[in-house]
Amino acid sequence: AQSVAQPEDQVNVAEGNPLTVKCTYSVSGNPYLFWYVQYPNRGLQFLLKYITGDNLVKGSYGFEAEFNKSQTSFHLKKPSALVSDSALYFCAVRALSGGYQKVTFGTGTKLQVIP
Amino acid sequence: ETGVTQSPTHLIKTRGQQVTLRCSSQSGHNTVSWYQQALGQGPQFIFQYYREEENGRGNFPPRFSGLQFPNYSSELNVNALELDDSALYLCASSLTGAYTEQFFGPGTRLTVL
Repeated sequence: AQSVAQPEDQVNVAEGNPLTVKCTYSVSGNPYLFWYVQYPNRGLQFLLKYITGDNLVKGSYGFEAEFNKSQTSFHLKKPSALVSDSALYFCAVRALSGGYQKVTFGTGTKLQVIP
Repeated sequence: ETGVTQSPTHLIKTRGQQVTLRCSSQSGHNTVSWYQQALGQGPQFIFQYYREEENGRGNFPPRFSGLQFPNYSSELNVNALELDDSALYLCASSLTGAYTEQFFGPGTRLTVL
C-alpha cells in the first residue's frame, strides 16, 4: 500500500525567511511525486513534480523540492517566503498498483507566512 | 485554453438519495480523476477514467460510480447517500501517464442531511 505523510499540520515562517514543508512517502516501485497548493474555497493548483533525474526540481512561484530516495522524502522549499504563499500545501504520490494507477495525497500542511 | 469546470457548485441532499456531479476536463486532456476532500483532510482518490474506462480506484464502495464521455467530460454518481458523504468533491484532468500533473476544478460542495 502506498502512503504519504506530512508530519506538520502547520508551519509558521517570517516573511523573507526560507521555508520548508516536509513530506515522506511509501510506495512500491518508482514514485511520481507532486506538490499542490490549495487556497481557501478553491481547487488544488500544481506546483512541481519529480519524475526522474535531478533530485532538485524547480516549480512555480519560486518553489523547489528535493527528492531523497534513501530517506523517502520530498520536502518543499522556498528560499524567501512571501505573505502570499500562505495556503494549504499537499504532497502526493502517484504510482502503478496492480496494473492500476493510484494517487495518494498527504493530509496537508498549512503554511502561515507572518509579515 | 479552458480549465476544468465542475457543476453544481453546491448541493444539498438527504440521506438515501442519489446525486450526480459533473466535470468538464481541460482541453486536450484524456484522463479524469475524482477525489473526495472532507473538511480539514487531504483529497481521497475515488477513481480515474481513461478513454471511457475506469483504470484506477481507491477504497470507495461500489455506490460510488462514474462515467467518462467521448468528449472526456465525466460524471460522478453516488447512490444511497450517507451523512459521511458530505465533502468537497474534486475533479482533476490530465494527460495519460502516472507522471503527469493534474489540473483541478473548483469542486462541488455536497452536504448530506
